[in-house]
This record gives sequence, C-alpha cells and structure tokens, in this order.
Amino acid sequence: KNEVEQSPQNLTAQEGEFITINCSYSVGISALHWLQQHPGGGIVSLFMLSSGKKKHGRLIATINIQEKHSSLHITASHPRDSAVYICAVRYARWTDKLIFGTGTRLQVFP
Amino acid sequence: EAGVAQSPRYKIIEKRQSVAFWCNPISGHATLYWYQQILGQGPKLLIQFQNNGVVDDSQLPKDRFSAERLKGVDSTLKIQPAKLEDSAVYLCASSLGQHEGEKLFFGSGTQLSVL
Repeated sequence: KNEVEQSPQNLTAQEGEFITINCSYSVGISALHWLQQHPGGGIVSLFMLSSGKKKHGRLIATINIQEKHSSLHITASHPRDSAVYICAVRYARWTDKLIFGTGTRLQVFP
Repeated sequence: EAGVAQSPRYKIIEKRQSVAFWCNPISGHATLYWYQQILGQGPKLLIQFQNNGVVDDSQLPKDRFSAERLKGVDSTLKIQPAKLEDSAVYLCASSLGQHEGEKLFFGSGTQLSVL
C-alpha cells in the first residue's frame, strides 16, 4: 500500500468543469506539495502547504491535517490543464524526504 | 531565473551498456535530488545531496548506480551496467535548503530506454 494515496487515478472532464483531485496520507506531515507534470516529464510545483488553503488563479489547494487529507481543485477547467497531478508529502519524522503519490492523470476535452 | 538544466533529453541504450546523466541546478541551491520515475508511477528518490555531501542514498542501487556532485554544483548520475528495468525518466530537482518549507524546482528529465 502506497503511503500517499491519490484518487482518482484517471479523470476526464469537459472544458469548464470543476475538478477535484484528492490525496490522503497515513502519518503526520510537515508539508504537502501539489505538483503538475506535463507529457515529456517536466514537473512544476503548484503549491506547498502545511495548513488551510491556498489559491493561485484557477487552482485551489486545501489541507485537513486532522483527517490527513488534501484536495486540489481546478475551476473552469481548460484543455491546457491536461497533465498528471502529483501529491507529495514531507513526513514530520523525516523532514528532508518527499514521499510521492502515483499521480492523477487529467484530460480536459474542448 | 534559469531553471534546473538536464541533459540529455532522451537516451536509448542496450542492456549492459553504460549511461550518464547530467544536472545543473539553479544557482545557489544547496540541495540536489535525483529521482527515478517509472511509467505510471510517482517519482522515487535515488539520492539527495546537500552541497557536495550525500544526505540520503538509501534507495540507490549501488551495485550499478553512482552519483557525484563535485564542488557542490553540477551533478552526474551514472548507470553501469544498465538493465531493462532501468527504463524510466530520471528527474533532477533542486532547492535552496532541505527544510520542509523549501520549494522544489524540477528539470525536464532524461527519458532512458534500455533495449
């Protein structure tokens, strides 16, 4: 069982739809990252959060420390949002190590 | 600001051959990471450097993989000899430090195919 679980694994949407990707983890963390990976391998860091909520443009990331759960929301989705979204956590016990989820593959159709 | 540079972008080799990847992190970033990402999986840490010292290489297959970061700047990752299961994208990332608040910056990766 992966220590960082993401759901769904694959997601398709029509342009304009509201999208939610979920991430859950098993032990206490010091930080959680949401990353975006486009075809070809390049990874971009979207958010780093340890509590509450962050917003950047059409992207919103929330985290519930008590429930060990985070969500990434995309409002008014667009085909250019098509990518793999990866959740990664730094456990409080090992602050120098990131544990990655397997990613959620999102395809947004026009 | 220049990003993390990696080369080559793609590499195709036969099994038992050797291969090397190069990474130039963002200027001033003390921490450098090499990750292996097999198709359909999340990245797996191979080795982490803090300046030119190794912080974590617990998941590096040391019988065939080696990495160095001379002078605490550029880094090379080598596989000798390569196996079919080494086919993956090799990602280099860097950060200012290694604390939980540090943002990671990734290179575009090197896609390795072992035939």
